[in-house]
Amino acid sequence: RKEVEQDPGPFNVPEGATVAFNCTYSNSASQSFFWYRQDCRKEPKLLMSVYSSGNEDGRFTAQLNRASQYISLLIRDSKLSDSATYLCVVNPTDKLIFGTGTRLQVFP
Amino acid sequence: DAGITQSPRYKITETGRQVTLMCHQTWSHSYMFWYRQDLGHGLRLIYYSAAADITDKGEVPDGYVVSRSKTENFPLTLESATRSQTSVYFCASSVPSKHFSYEQYFGPGTRLTVT
Repeated sequence: RKEVEQDPGPFNVPEGATVAFNCTYSNSASQSFFWYRQDCRKEPKLLMSVYSSGNEDGRFTAQLNRASQYISLLIRDSKLSDSATYLCVVNPTDKLIFGTGTRLQVFP
Repeated sequence: DAGITQSPRYKITETGRQVTLMCHQTWSHSYMFWYRQDLGHGLRLIYYSAAADITDKGEVPDGYVVSRSKTENFPLTLESATRSQTSVYFCASSVPSKHFSYEQYFGPGTRLTVT
């Protein structure tokens, strides 16, 4: 079993839609959680950290469920510019583990 | 503000050749990392460095060598390139403390093809 698992997608959604991604992790000792965004043929960039209480940044909401060991990312009112691959990242001990990413394609 | 740069951006080399990928950052971040990214795998850590002259192995270090004589530079060398090392290589850096709990800043990547 992979340490971090994501549905690879692609998720094809129209502009304005709400879309949610889930990610599961295997190491219950994980302490830190992140969502990174990676555009095609570009480097990953931090989208947001994920806190135990859940957090929101504009149209983006991240949730953490430690009991079930999953993280979610909700994107509301999708924009064309949201098209990218979203990487779930977990910090179990002394390293970051990256998921393979979920690809989102927003169409007009 | 250049941030973190990598060179070359694209490289084609032959099996058995030595190749060095360069990484330079202008933020004075003490931690630096090398990852490779392949289809079907997430980013995988090759080596990392906590400070000048301090390096440590990551998940997939075999076939690679690193050095860090200066804080701002962290070159990655493939001593004898193999086709399995064809990949996209990303260098990253992060703030000094809690290096794995804080944001990592990535360079633009080097696309390496080994023929």
